[in-house]
Formats: sequence, structure tokens, C-alpha cells
Amino acid sequence: SQTIHQWPATLVQPVGSPLSLECTVEGTSNPNLYWYRQAAGRGLQLLFYSVGIGQISSEVPQNLSASRPQDRQFILSSKKLLLSDSGFYLCAWSNLLADPNEQFFGPGTRLTVL
Amino acid sequence: GESVGLHLPTLSVQEGDNSIINCAYSNSASDYFIWYKQESGKGPQFIIDIRSNMDKRQGQRVTVLLNKTVKHLSLQIAATQPGDSAVYFCAEKSDKIIFGKGTRLHILP
Repeated sequence: SQTIHQWPATLVQPVGSPLSLECTVEGTSNPNLYWYRQAAGRGLQLLFYSVGIGQISSEVPQNLSASRPQDRQFILSSKKLLLSDSGFYLCAWSNLLADPNEQFFGPGTRLTVL
Repeated sequence: GESVGLHLPTLSVQEGDNSIINCAYSNSASDYFIWYKQESGKGPQFIIDIRSNMDKRQGQRVTVLLNKTVKHLSLQIAATQPGDSAVYFCAEKSDKIIFGKGTRLHILP
């Protein structure tokens, strides 16, 4: 069966510090991978998606970047965090072999920037 | 730009009653409409989707209705249970999936 892991679960970082959130998927090959941010009381904002190794599409200009060094690994990074980067970050995967509308979400990382 | 929105931010329903969660969309070109459920502290979970050429689709205890004339989407949950308590997001898909803001479903004992 497929599983998706995210870590850390919670993170408190000072403004100006770097960020690295990691997401890994098991049990599937060539997944599409996604990073979302969810602000309190709001919907999901797509930040990045990737259809393959080294292929990253950015949805919104921001202080963040993403990388996909391996097929099932997706990393969200920042060189200098801003207060506005606080939120709940969710990684998700989908696969064309399954329902392409079904994205499987990880447990999320709650980031607080102080 | 295109957006997906919800009529009510919070819905309270008596346990055992049916729940109806509504959603308005604006992109007529969307191919699919999707409902997700997000329990507190967890990632969203896919519930059901409906293709744009359909007007009704049923799943286990859930039914999604699509009215393209008024660009309205609804999720009906039969015999609501405490485990249905969550935030429900509608989403639309054309070249990518765009999520709405969510409706919190609160179950009354």
C-alpha cells in the first residue's frame, strides 16, 4: 500500500532562518507531487507541483522553493523565513494509474514563524 | 481569476440527520468537481468526484449533485455520524485542482 510521510510535524522558527520540509512517498512510482499551504480558516493554496525528478512548477511567487531530488522525495525550502510563511504545509501525491482527481495528502507540518 | 467558494463557513447538523454542504464555482471549463474531507490536524482526504457531464453521483452514504446551470455543487451526507465532523472542501479541476475555503460540519448530539 502507498504511504506518504512528512516531517517534522510541527516547527517553530525565527524570522530570517532557513527552512527545509521533507516529504516522501512509498509504494508508488512516478507520482505527481504537490506542496500546499493552508492558512488558518482558509482553503488550500497550491505552491508547487512536480511531474518528475527535477521538474518543478511554481504556482505563486513567494519566499519558498521546492526540489525533487528523487522520484518519491519532495522538499520545500526557504533561505529566509518571513512571518507570513506561517501555516500548515501539506504534501500530496497523485498517480495517473489511479483516479487522477484523487490526491493523497500527508499528515502536514505546522510551521510557526516568530 | 477563477475561484471556488462555499456558501456557509459552518454547518451544524443533528446526529442521524442528513447534511447538505453547498459550493459555488465560477469556472465553466472545469472537467471535474471534487469533495475532500479534512479532520482536525490531518491532511484532506478524497471523498468523491463528479465529472462535469454528470449531474449526480453516489458513493457510500454520500451523494454529490452538480447543477451546471447555476454553477452549484453540493455534497449530501446521509445519516450524519459523529465521525463526519470535519471541514469539507469542494474543488474544481481543469488543468489543476483549485480548492475552496471549506465548510466546517459540526455534529450535534
